Amino acid sequence: DAGITQSPRHKVTETGTPVTLRCHQTENHRYMYWYRQDPGHGLRLIHYSYGVKDTDKGEVSDGYSVSRSKTEDFLLTLESATSSQTSVYFCAITGLPDGNEQFFGPGTRLTVL
Amino acid sequence: DAKTTQPPSMDCAEGRAANLPCNHSTISGNEYVYWYRQIHSQGPQYIIHGLKNNETNEMASLIITEDRKSSTLILPHATLRDTAVYYCIVPSNAGGTSYGKLTFGQGTILTVHP
Repeated sequence: DAGITQSPRHKVTETGTPVTLRCHQTENHRYMYWYRQDPGHGLRLIHYSYGVKDTDKGEVSDGYSVSRSKTEDFLLTLESATSSQTSVYFCAITGLPDGNEQFFGPGTRLTVL
Repeated sequence: DAKTTQPPSMDCAEGRAANLPCNHSTISGNEYVYWYRQIHSQGPQYIIHGLKNNETNEMASLIITEDRKSSTLILPHATLRDTAVYYCIVPSNAGGTSYGKLTFGQGTILTVHP
């Protein structure tokens, strides 16, 4: 299995608080992705990175920011969490240039009260 | 991504082959078909992909029709651990690369029963 971890695995927070989720990989892969998964919507891409300091928006990026200061870490930040951001968040990585064969982390379950 | 259509659910007996269909009638000539699955509460898992020839690996086989408008994922001897949601994805190749911006639809819930 690809070396990819997410932290925390579970988090409960209150509306308006900042939250940062971390994705860490040991594969030295160039590409990293953040998805969210909600009932009835499947997985939706939030942001992705195609290299250190190189990031771009995905389908549902409003309310989220990301940073990638080194290859192994990709951080997802909710500047001011809202209840609509309650979700399961998955990180994925790939080393392939087309990016379509991805390895996913175990997920982070976030609840915003 | 090219739109894909999958049945919402399927059943399969343990030990039998599971054949999961996918329609992708708007697929372009250079777009691949990818399959992932997601076991309950886990992250999605890549299974296989193909362009136009049939493909096989240790997990499954992928059969793509000659006109490439549909495909079938085959799990040759399904086990209870194959119970999962299976996603058929055709990533857009516009601009030369999709950078892995995958679009997961609702997929097919495969239930393997004893």
